[in-house]
Amino acid sequence: GIQVEQSPPDLILQEGANSTLRCNFSDSVNNLQWFHQNPWGQLINLFYIPSGTKQNGRLSATTVATERYSLLYISSSQTTDSGVYFCAVEWGGGFKTIFGAGTRLFVKA
Amino acid sequence: EAGVAQSPRYKIIEKRQSVAFWCNPISGHATLYWYQQILGQGPKLLIQFQNNGVVDDSQLPKDRFSAERLKGVDSTLKIQPAKLEDSAVYLCASSLGENTEAFFGQGTRLTVV
Repeated sequence: GIQVEQSPPDLILQEGANSTLRCNFSDSVNNLQWFHQNPWGQLINLFYIPSGTKQNGRLSATTVATERYSLLYISSSQTTDSGVYFCAVEWGGGFKTIFGAGTRLFVKA
Repeated sequence: EAGVAQSPRYKIIEKRQSVAFWCNPISGHATLYWYQQILGQGPKLLIQFQNNGVVDDSQLPKDRFSAERLKGVDSTLKIQPAKLEDSAVYLCASSLGENTEAFFGQGTRLTVV
């Protein structure tokens, strides 16, 4: 099956800093999503981005499908950005959605 | 629009007991997913429905887990009998169809003691 790897596994930032999270996948995918899981466990949709670049406020994402990776950029981080960031890919003829292990982000005030 | 609804939010049971979770997807969404998320890990797909048919259940422990989606709308996931290692958050998600954005419910946190 497909492998979805996220890096770094853990990240500590000072408020105001920028960061880049990476998602590598081992096979062609039909689509890719980025989620933020808040401290209460809710998965919040950030981007639906099978290819190209999208921006939403301080967040942006880029997926290069031909090279099998996606990047999530967080600029001017805030304490409320803390949580776990997951990428999830839809893969295969059955369109299964597979998650990476996540990047745990803590933003210090 | 209303989001994905799940109930209950929390459940504590003893091992060997049975438990059921309910999910109501976003209206009009044909695809429904059940995931298991163990503490510290990413969600793992248990079963995926397209309308009322099963698309994938390769990671569903079928000796104890079952799921159904009668009438292609809401769904139930059952565990019988529960084991300690079933302690996890069970997440339901839905999407319009294949290759479309998925939306998640708040999950049911199960503790098996």
